[in-house]
Amino acid sequence: QKEVEQDPGPLSVPEGAIVSLNCTYSNSAFQYFMWYRQYSRKGPELLMYTYSSGNKEDGRFTAQVDKSSKYISLFIRDSQPSDSATYLCAMSNAGSARQLTFGSGTQLTVLP
Amino acid sequence: GAGVSQSPSNKVTEKGKDVELRCDPISGHTALYWYRQSLGQGLEFLIYFQGNSAPDKSGLPSDRFSAERTGESVSTLTIQRTQQEDSAVYLCASSFNLADQPQHFGDGTRLSIL
Repeated sequence: QKEVEQDPGPLSVPEGAIVSLNCTYSNSAFQYFMWYRQYSRKGPELLMYTYSSGNKEDGRFTAQVDKSSKYISLFIRDSQPSDSATYLCAMSNAGSARQLTFGSGTQLTVLP
Repeated sequence: GAGVSQSPSNKVTEKGKDVELRCDPISGHTALYWYRQSLGQGLEFLIYFQGNSAPDKSGLPSDRFSAERTGESVSTLTIQRTQQEDSAVYLCASSFNLADQPQHFGDGTRLSIL
């Protein structure tokens, strides 16, 4: 079993919908949680960066971390066609090397 | 530059050849990371540098892979005697330092071994 599990999709939603993306993990040492967006033939772009449990909001994006359930979520409000991309969750522990462990990515398409 | 820069963006080479991949991190970032992204394996960590030092090389897939960093800036990932299974996108990331700083990625080098 992988340390980080992410539903690969594909996920297709109409423009304006609320999108929910999720990851589960097994390593209780993970303390830093990130969401990256990756467009085709581009590198991952950092969207959200959170430490430990709780919520963080940035514009249309909200990240939630529930360490007790080992479950993280990214919500996208008022989704736009430009949000169509692959979304990757990533995590790391508080050790000396910030080696990121990634989920496999969820492919999202927002239809106009 | 404004972001992490990688070159070449694409590289096609024959099996058995050596390749060098280059990464220019964001100016002032002391930590630098290499990852590999392939269809079957997703994004996997290879190696990190704090300054010019790479304390842990255990993430490198084989002894054909090596990496170095000079001047706390540019890093080179070298693959010797390339094999077809080395075909992947090689991504570089940098962060201000190792502690509590998010990693910012370049667009990668797409490596194809014929």
